Amino acid sequence: EAGVTQSPTHLIKTRGQQATLRCSPISGHTSVYWYQQALGLGLQFLLWYDEGEERNRGNFPPRFSGRQFPNYSSELNVNALELEDSALYLCASSLDGRAANTGELFFGEGSRLTVL
Amino acid sequence: KNEVEQSPQNLTAQEGEFITINCSYSVGISALHWLQQHPGGGIVSLFMLSSGKKKHGRLIATINIQEKHSSLHITASHPRDSAVYICAVKGNSGGSNYKLTFGKGTLLTVNP
Repeated sequence: EAGVTQSPTHLIKTRGQQATLRCSPISGHTSVYWYQQALGLGLQFLLWYDEGEERNRGNFPPRFSGRQFPNYSSELNVNALELEDSALYLCASSLDGRAANTGELFFGEGSRLTVL
Repeated sequence: KNEVEQSPQNLTAQEGEFITINCSYSVGISALHWLQQHPGGGIVSLFMLSSGKKKHGRLIATINIQEKHSSLHITASHPRDSAVYICAVKGNSGGSNYKLTFGKGTLLTVNP
């Protein structure tokens, strides 16, 4: 069975451009989480989607947005790119993120975004 | 003060040594994850704990809910265990529901 897949693996953009990252969860998983890992910083929670809706977001500006499609895949969009947006963006999925004690996470390999 | 503190930040061991990585947290949690991140970035979830102890191969994870502390142990360490180990907690109250708070990670290097 395929794990969580992310694309592209690497993406290079310039300041002011927009970046779109994609994530396909494990089959049957309805929750998708996005995390940012910037150089020198730990992982930070970005967004959580479940059943097509945004359920929670971390402390990031509105130019970080996304959506979840009916097949539960997800897209992360970053508008008006800034240099400090350069980071590894990780996607994870779980069966049901709303349940308190279920929802073991499975991570993708990440998409490395470089903003020049 | 970070909600999740890991120690040590860096750990170098010789092959075969017993390794312990610690994680302390300050919030109420519904679950705690131990993650492994290899160079290049990919992350593997090692354990998810809400109580007690779990074992998988040479890895053992324990959690003490009352003391808000968890440990990850590696027995008979091997160079392929070299990675960053990250502790993450899932909160159980208010705005922290369902999102993970991560520790800064422990960089483990196991020398042959």
